[in-house]
Amino acid sequence: EDQVTQSPEALRLQEGESSSLNCSYTVSGLRGLFWYRQDPGKGPEFLFTLYSAGEEKEKERLKATLTKKESFLHITAPKPEDSATYLCAVSIYNFNKFYFGSGTKLNVKP
Amino acid sequence: NAGVTQTPKFQVLKTGQSMTLQCAQDMNHEYMSWYRQDPGMGLRLIHYSVGAGITDQGEVPNGYNVSRSTTEDFPLRLLSAAPSQTSVYFCASSLGTGLSYEQYFGPGTRLTVT
Repeated sequence: EDQVTQSPEALRLQEGESSSLNCSYTVSGLRGLFWYRQDPGKGPEFLFTLYSAGEEKEKERLKATLTKKESFLHITAPKPEDSATYLCAVSIYNFNKFYFGSGTKLNVKP
Repeated sequence: NAGVTQTPKFQVLKTGQSMTLQCAQDMNHEYMSWYRQDPGMGLRLIHYSVGAGITDQGEVPNGYNVSRSTTEDFPLRLLSAAPSQTSVYFCASSLGTGLSYEQYFGPGTRLTVT
């Protein structure tokens, strides 16, 4: 059965304390892996798409990487405004269906 | 651009009632989808559409119907509401071509079925 697992479920960091979030997947036919940010009471907001192992994307303090079995979202020197739930999703075969992990809730303390 | 809009924001239904959740986008996106989000379970795909007149089932389609008569609108119908359908529902859209598959989500509808 296809699965997407995110860890940890929750992460508390001090401002400036870098860390990584993990998204592991057991799917066949991966076409793309997506990272989203979700603030409380709002819809997810797109961050990155990764299509092949070895690919990396960066945006401000965030950097996403992809291997054949997992993706990491690295957060460098986080700020309180980075506090949110981070979701990953995979698409297999034809980009019509997307499977989401349950998310990592990040809390950055000043 | 308004992006993806959803109505209503909140809804309370009694078991057995029917209703339609509305979703509209003004980005001329071909791909649209409906998800439900439950605590600890992430987003699960209910139905999706790759263009006007074309719809298909996602991971959890039972109890829900969709249709797509225009590019802009993609309503989700609950035929006979059940307490298990209590959830937050998100509509999303995507260009769906040319390596632009990222989805833009609406603000969500919080549905409670009693």
